[in-house]
Amino acid sequence: AQTVTQSQPEMSVQEAETVTLSCTYDTSESNYYLFWYKQPPSRQMILVIRQEAYKQQNATENRFSVNFQKAAKSFSLKISDSQLGDTAMYFCARSRGATNKLIFGTGTLLAVQP
Amino acid sequence: DTAVSQTPKYLVTQMGNDKSIKCEQNLGHDTMYWYKQDSKKFLKIMFSYNNKELIINETVPNRFSPKSPDKAHLNLHINSLELGDSAVYFCASSPAGHNEQFFGPGTRLTVL
Repeated sequence: AQTVTQSQPEMSVQEAETVTLSCTYDTSESNYYLFWYKQPPSRQMILVIRQEAYKQQNATENRFSVNFQKAAKSFSLKISDSQLGDTAMYFCARSRGATNKLIFGTGTLLAVQP
Repeated sequence: DTAVSQTPKYLVTQMGNDKSIKCEQNLGHDTMYWYKQDSKKFLKIMFSYNNKELIINETVPNRFSPKSPDKAHLNLHINSLELGDSAVYFCASSPAGHNEQFFGPGTRLTVL
C-alpha cells in the first residue's frame, strides 16, 4: 500500500525550543512531491513547506525546515524557535501520480507550551 | 479576496436528507478536489476535476455526486445522508503543472 506514516500522534515543546516531527512514506514512483500542512484549531489547512523528490536540497521556509532522506523514504519537519501559534495538527502528505492527489498521514498534534 | 471559499461552513441536517456544499476558487487554477476529514482527523481524497472533467473518483458511495459547472466551481451533492457522512469536507485547488494544493476553510457536516 502506498501510505504515509506519522508515528507520533502527539508532541509537546516549550516555547522557543526546537521540535522535529517524523514522517515516512511508501511509494514506487520516481518523481513525487512531499508536503507538510498545518491545521490549527480554526481547521484551515495551511501549507507549511513543500519538497520536490528530485531535489536533493532540503526545503526551508523561515523557522521550518525538512530533512528529506529519499532512500529511506523519510521526510521530517523541524520547527525552530517554536511559537505559541505553532500549536496545531501537522499533516505530512505525498502527491501521487499524474492526478496529483494527496495521500495524507494520520497527523501529529503539536502543543507549544509557554 | 478569498482564494478558495466554501459554503456553508456548517451544515446540520437529518438522516435521509439531500444536501449540497459549494466551492469556488478565484485563483485561476485548473484542478479542484474534494477531501473528507473524519472524526479522527484523517484526510482522504474523494474526487478531483481538471477543467470540468472528472479525473479522480475514489471509492465513494454513489450518494455522493460532484459537479463542476466551470473550472472555478466544484460542488458536492450528497443524497440520502447517513450518520457516517458526518465529517469535515474540504475543497482544494491547484494550478496546472504544480502539485501544491490550496484548501478552503472546510464545511463541517453533522448528520443527526
